[in-house]
Amino acid sequence: GAGVSQSPSNKVTEKGKDVELRCDPISGHTALYWYRQSLGQGLEFLIYFQGNSAPDKSGLPSDRFSAERTGGSVSTLTIQRTQQEDSAVYLCASSSQGIGSPLHFGNGTRLTVT
Amino acid sequence: GESVGLHLPTLSVQEGDNSIINCAYSNSASDYFIWYKQESGKGPQFIIDIRSNMDKRQGQRVTVLLNKTVKHLSLQIAATQPGDSAVYFCAENLKPGNTDKLIFGTGTRLQVFP
Repeated sequence: GAGVSQSPSNKVTEKGKDVELRCDPISGHTALYWYRQSLGQGLEFLIYFQGNSAPDKSGLPSDRFSAERTGGSVSTLTIQRTQQEDSAVYLCASSSQGIGSPLHFGNGTRLTVT
Repeated sequence: GESVGLHLPTLSVQEGDNSIINCAYSNSASDYFIWYKQESGKGPQFIIDIRSNMDKRQGQRVTVLLNKTVKHLSLQIAATQPGDSAVYFCAENLKPGNTDKLIFGTGTRLQVFP
């Protein structure tokens, strides 16, 4: 079946520009996560959505980062006024019921800020 | 702060041998742990999970061992194959029963040589 889909797969942007990254979770999955992975590093938690509950935004590194999840499905991660240190792979994952069920990851969006 | 770490950043094994990847976690209250495999250019792929009420769980060619006394997690891969070459991450649920937030370690690279 269809897995988690992320778009674009690659994004190159100039410093100071805004970018939007999209995530289509697995159909029926109520939990959605965004992580960031810098080159050769582990995964850094950014934000978590579960059903209609308020999202856990505790991992967002600054107020330039925001995310929405519309209709309990598609999610968009927005980075405003991008900086070079924002360059990383942004990974989205979904799960059927949050903890207790494994996360299924997309292949990520590789963001390069020049 | 709380963290998940790995003892060996790189592990080289001969094809056919067994591999053991280790992980130390610091939050004694964590109640759910997952191992992921990540190949180059792809998102992490779920391998196996274990709850804190268990100390061992087996899958196909893989076994996860949990030692809560010393807060240690290991992944054993039997008869390692070239296709097992990847980076392996362990992850823990930092806030069990409350916030569904998985915290990932920095990863161990497994290299399989003929």
